Amino acid sequence: GENVEQHPSTLSVQEGDSAVIKCTYSDSASNYFPWYKQELGKRPQLIIDIRSNVGEKKDQRIAVTLNKTAKHFSLHITETQPEDSAVYFCADLTDSWGKLQFGAGTQVVVTP
Amino acid sequence: DTAVSQTPKYLVTQMGNDKSIKCEQNLGHDTMYWYKQDSKKFLKIMFSYNNKELIINETVPNRFSPKSPDKAHLNLHINSLELGDSAVYFCASSPVNYGYTFGSGTRLTVV
Repeated sequence: GENVEQHPSTLSVQEGDSAVIKCTYSDSASNYFPWYKQELGKRPQLIIDIRSNVGEKKDQRIAVTLNKTAKHFSLHITETQPEDSAVYFCADLTDSWGKLQFGAGTQVVVTP
Repeated sequence: DTAVSQTPKYLVTQMGNDKSIKCEQNLGHDTMYWYKQDSKKFLKIMFSYNNKELIINETVPNRFSPKSPDKAHLNLHINSLELGDSAVYFCASSPVNYGYTFGSGTRLTVV
């Protein structure tokens, strides 16, 4: 897709609370939506992904939901822990060669 | 074994110099990428190669030249470095239409 908007840019949560990050895409042809976590000074790492034929996917404390009609997808982190503190990026893919368009990132800070 | 490895990890150089960053992946992926991450953390694609063939070439100054000698390697050469080239450069690889595996990044500082 040409444009992926990600909100919020920063998110501060108390340990144990939930965190939600939302992304909106513009290209209806987008069909794959990964989420990456980047800790300070480290590489982005894929934490969960979803394809356009699925509405929700869960992996332990993280889940992703997709609303194709509204063209948005969200990352949900439950029971947050200090090690969840990082920058999270959403992305979407429409290009047949695998080009990912990334959102601007969300800095998540989990305070004990 | 590191899946996607980049060298060097840090690169400090003067304006006007020419430098190269190397990337290798042992995952058997067909596609490799270079991304630039600026000081605001934004990840922007620069180039993509599929089986040694250039398939994505974003609006990047022609001082940047990628080279893929084989599908496991993708190098980035930068001529006449400028202050604005300072950033973290990530190599990545993927099977087609799947998520990327990123390298550990190269922090380039131009002084």
